[in-house]
Amino acid sequence: GDSVTQMEGPVTLSEEAFLTINCTYTATGYPSLFWYVQYPGEGLQLLLKATKADDKGSNKGFEATYRKETTSFHLEKGSVQVSDSAVYFCALSERLGGGTSYGKLTFGQGTILTVHP
Amino acid sequence: DGGITQSPKYLFRKEGQNVTLSCEQNLNHDAMYWYRQDPGQGLRLIYYSQIVNDFQKGDIAEGYSVSREKKESFPLTVTSAQKNPTAFYLCASTGTGAPSGNTIYFGEGSWLTVV
Repeated sequence: GDSVTQMEGPVTLSEEAFLTINCTYTATGYPSLFWYVQYPGEGLQLLLKATKADDKGSNKGFEATYRKETTSFHLEKGSVQVSDSAVYFCALSERLGGGTSYGKLTFGQGTILTVHP
Repeated sequence: DGGITQSPKYLFRKEGQNVTLSCEQNLNHDAMYWYRQDPGQGLRLIYYSQIVNDFQKGDIAEGYSVSREKKESFPLTVTSAQKNPTAFYLCASTGTGAPSGNTIYFGEGSWLTVV
């Protein structure tokens, strides 16, 4: 079945440092790829997504490129801020039951990021 | 503003009781989902519904039940048969087809604790 593997955390950085969180996946089909962010006590917010090979998703200074050849979707940010401290989840989605909606997300285990001033 | 509303945010349940978590969306989305999150883990799919009056089991449906009588509502009942119900529960929805069907929106979650 489908699976997502994220680099283990927690990750602790100083403000303005460069961030990389690795994510690789296995999938039988041609999934869409996502990064979600979860702040303490809250639900998940979509950070960025990519729907086909070589697509680059970007948002709030974060970027990730859909690499089909390496089955990867690594998250990067050039200069992190304290406000980026959160849990980051890599996920893929596939169509449900032959329908047209994408909802069966397969998640990685999450990476806790802590940014110090 | 459009979004997904879950309630209650915090809920305590005695062992042997059933509890129902509410999920309402005003995004006009056809598909809705319930996920469970345990500490240090990703999310696991409990149930999903792609259309009114129809729903399917996800990966961990045992001990849970749902209904989808209205497009905007997808309540989840955690029954006494669920052996380890203490968790964070997230409701989500998507439209159908591209591009809206490709993005999943989440509610803010409900914390359920068994006491």
